Amino acid sequence: NAGVTQTPKFQVLKTGQSMTLQCAQDMNHEYMSWYRQDPGMGLRLIHYSVGAGITDQGEVPNGYNVSRSTTEDFPLRLLSAAPSQTSVYFCASGDAGPTFGSGTRLTVV
Amino acid sequence: AQSVTQLDSQVPVFEEAPVELRCNYSSSVSVYLFWYVQYPNQGLQLLLKYLSGSTLVKGINGFEAEFNKSQTSFHLRKPSVHISDTAEYFCAVSDSGGSNYKLTFGKGTLLTVNP
Repeated sequence: NAGVTQTPKFQVLKTGQSMTLQCAQDMNHEYMSWYRQDPGMGLRLIHYSVGAGITDQGEVPNGYNVSRSTTEDFPLRLLSAAPSQTSVYFCASGDAGPTFGSGTRLTVV
Repeated sequence: AQSVTQLDSQVPVFEEAPVELRCNYSSSVSVYLFWYVQYPNQGLQLLLKYLSGSTLVKGINGFEAEFNKSQTSFHLRKPSVHISDTAEYFCAVSDSGGSNYKLTFGKGTLLTVNP
């Protein structure tokens, strides 16, 4: 039972490039979320999904896009990377104490 | 809107000493409360959670927390810490209704256990 799997673990992008952060869960959870973690800021909610085909914005959604075509997968897309998006990104699955993935450390230069 | 304040950004303690990490929250609705631990270069692991019932919640690794509604607090305690408890600890809150999958986090407390 893998829980929540995030890929890649590390990524360096140039300003303006696009990429997709992958997140998959094998717990059959309806709820999935993306957070970013910045030093001294805690974690902030980017986007979330309450089921396949249903997504909504969190606290800091600008510059990110999501879709949920299956229960298992919830990818996060950076449309045009900016240095301000340098962060550690975490995917979470479930409710009332969600399970977190191990994170993707993204650097935008 | 909800908010979480972790009153100490860093807490250094000696091994085998007791520790308390403080957390206060603000919310206009009833809440669920959580403590997560993050070891260096790892994801977040759920330590314990308060959903309802007894206000004293026991978690993994010997940690416990007490929900105090009148003081809007959820402080984390351990009677005797180990070197391996060195990590960052995050307090989080969600509403207790249909949006309980959306967490608001505090900024974290770095616990450093020294020999």
